[in-house]
Amino acid sequence: AQKVTQAQTEISVVEKEDVTLDCVYETRDTTYYLFWYKQPPSGELVFLIRRNSFDEQNEISGRYSWNFQKSTSSFNFTITASQVVDSAVYFCALSEALTNDYKLSFGAGTTVTVRA
Amino acid sequence: DTAVSQTPKYLVTQMGNDKSIKCEQNLGHDTMYWYKQDSKKFLKIMFSYNNKELIINETVPNRFSPKSPDKAHLNLHINSLELGDSAVYFCASSLKSYNEQFFGPGTRLTVL
Repeated sequence: AQKVTQAQTEISVVEKEDVTLDCVYETRDTTYYLFWYKQPPSGELVFLIRRNSFDEQNEISGRYSWNFQKSTSSFNFTITASQVVDSAVYFCALSEALTNDYKLSFGAGTTVTVRA
Repeated sequence: DTAVSQTPKYLVTQMGNDKSIKCEQNLGHDTMYWYKQDSKKFLKIMFSYNNKELIINETVPNRFSPKSPDKAHLNLHINSLELGDSAVYFCASSLKSYNEQFFGPGTRLTVL
């Protein structure tokens, strides 16, 4: 069973639009970590954020914001006022303390295309 | 200055050959990983080492053998390469297992 579901395969927006990427996870652990990574067309994987299961505070970093809701097992990511440079594949990932020895389980990724 | 480096960046080889990919991190991290990213961009962990000890070994053919000579290096050797091995292989490292992982630039392996 997939532990991390990113239901949106592709999203295409025009510059300056906001875009929200959904991430739903599945775990029985009480201690776990959630991550978002960005993979631009150049291919490298860039770490964006890490959130632990005990910290449900939302986070904002510039144009990026994250909404963590344990009640719905979701960790959604919003890019505000998107720019062409935001075009990339975005991966959500889960790391479980007990079940999985902290192995990173990645979602399938959401490809975001921002058009000028 | 590169945090996690991999060599080579591209590798094109014939079926049946043996090849190695090298990975080095200068972040002082304890844990290193190998991931495979297939043509559909799906990322899957292959191996993880903590302080030179193998701690994660996913269902990977035994043609793949990781080697960690020290904490800063984790190499991947692949014997008898097959067409299905074509993928991008990423090395990564993290301070501890539960910390964020930092990835190398990837090695694109093409088996002909």
